[in-house]
Amino acid sequence: AQTVTQSQPEMSVQEAETVTLSCTYDTSESDYYLFWYKQPPSRQMILVIRQEAYKQQNATENRFSVNFQKAAKSFSLKISDSQLGDAAMYFCAYRSAVSGGSNYKLTFGKGTLLTVNP
Amino acid sequence: NAGVMQNPRHLVRRRGQEARLRCSPMKGHSHVYWYRQLPEEGLKFMVYLQKENIIDESGMPKERFSAEFPKEGPSILRIQQVVRGDSAAYFCASSPDLGPWGYTFGSGTRLTVV
Repeated sequence: AQTVTQSQPEMSVQEAETVTLSCTYDTSESDYYLFWYKQPPSRQMILVIRQEAYKQQNATENRFSVNFQKAAKSFSLKISDSQLGDAAMYFCAYRSAVSGGSNYKLTFGKGTLLTVNP
Repeated sequence: NAGVMQNPRHLVRRRGQEARLRCSPMKGHSHVYWYRQLPEEGLKFMVYLQKENIIDESGMPKERFSAEFPKEGPSILRIQQVVRGDSAAYFCASSPDLGPWGYTFGSGTRLTVV
């Protein structure tokens, strides 16, 4: 079974600074997808960024980028120019790409609570 | 498109009562998934349904929990004889197919058992 580990329960960053959230995962599969979700106090799960394991290029979405290290099974999220609205719980998630299996399930880490200080 | 709609947003039940959580998927989405988020935890998969069929309920407790997605109407997650340990946020997601990018979550129902 796959597992996702977020080793930082809480992180803080100054507004306009850069912060990196860590995520490691364990899997025996070679094809999969990785995601970062943001959960603000409203509880809505918002997709921030996604990565296909077969792509070596790191995904980027505006101020959000990832550092995907497949051999190390690491998938960190970098937030540049942090804004007050970035304050939220951030979850790393894994989804298998293997057809015929449980490739509809997302496996989540426990989350990292990000505080942005003005 | 209204997105995935869950109601109620908050639900309080006394121990032993029944809880019914509703999820209306996005228009055109025929795949529904339920997840549970316990305090200080990430979301955990409970059940996957397509119209009128339960595809995978491996994450759902065997007793007291059931789910349905009828031909007409919303998907329902039903918890009978609730206990304090059922207190959690329950999220529904939907997708149009099994591709990796179409997953959309609702805002969840927070169930509190008193």
